Amino acid sequence: DSGVTQTPKHLITATGQRVTLRCSPRSGDLSVYWYQQSLDQGLQFLIHYYNGEERAKGNILERFSAQQFPDLHSELNLSSLELGDSALYFCASSFRISGANVLTFGAGSRLTVL
Amino acid sequence: AQTVTQSQPEMSVQEAETVTLSCTYDTSESNYYLFWYKQPPSRQMILVIRQEAYKQQNATENRFSVNFQKAAKSFSLKISDSQLGDTAMYFCAFMWDSNYQLIWGAGTKLIIKP
Repeated sequence: DSGVTQTPKHLITATGQRVTLRCSPRSGDLSVYWYQQSLDQGLQFLIHYYNGEERAKGNILERFSAQQFPDLHSELNLSSLELGDSALYFCASSFRISGANVLTFGAGSRLTVL
Repeated sequence: AQTVTQSQPEMSVQEAETVTLSCTYDTSESNYYLFWYKQPPSRQMILVIRQEAYKQQNATENRFSVNFQKAAKSFSLKISDSQLGDTAMYFCAFMWDSNYQLIWGAGTKLIIKP
């Protein structure tokens, strides 16, 4: 158990629908990151929150949005879903060791859009 | 722009052998960090080892060690006495100090054969 909790683990939905993925970071970590991993590909950075504030945006579609709440958990909202949105969505939280910002990943939420 | 290149899409070795995975990166930053993450069939993303660019000494974690060549911008991972449980995708990643984003390589699929 990495300490980063993601729900749901699996989600199957239809095109045009909206889903919400949830992430609870490790205790004490203030940063949350969202990544998308399509089949057999590397990770694509979506967005980074630090203590409730958006810090950086990557290749996140306008149909996607995220937020981090006062209790530091985060939600990633995906709307108007398309077949190509099927992927593994990772949440990670971070802590610093010797200056390095080390990310700890959750187990991922696998989204299948039919 | 920062880039990370893993030139070996797939490798396979016999159990107990030593294997080296290659990673090169391109950056003009002087202060940065390098990571190897492992993604087994469970799809969980697990930190294997990290290296601070300002440290000349190569990082080691049990059977895992790196060969960090800063001038050559090379960061290879050596796995000694390989085990079946080492079978996984291995991703090399780069982070520079002023930015918390990880730049990922495309990954190397490592298969350990019994």
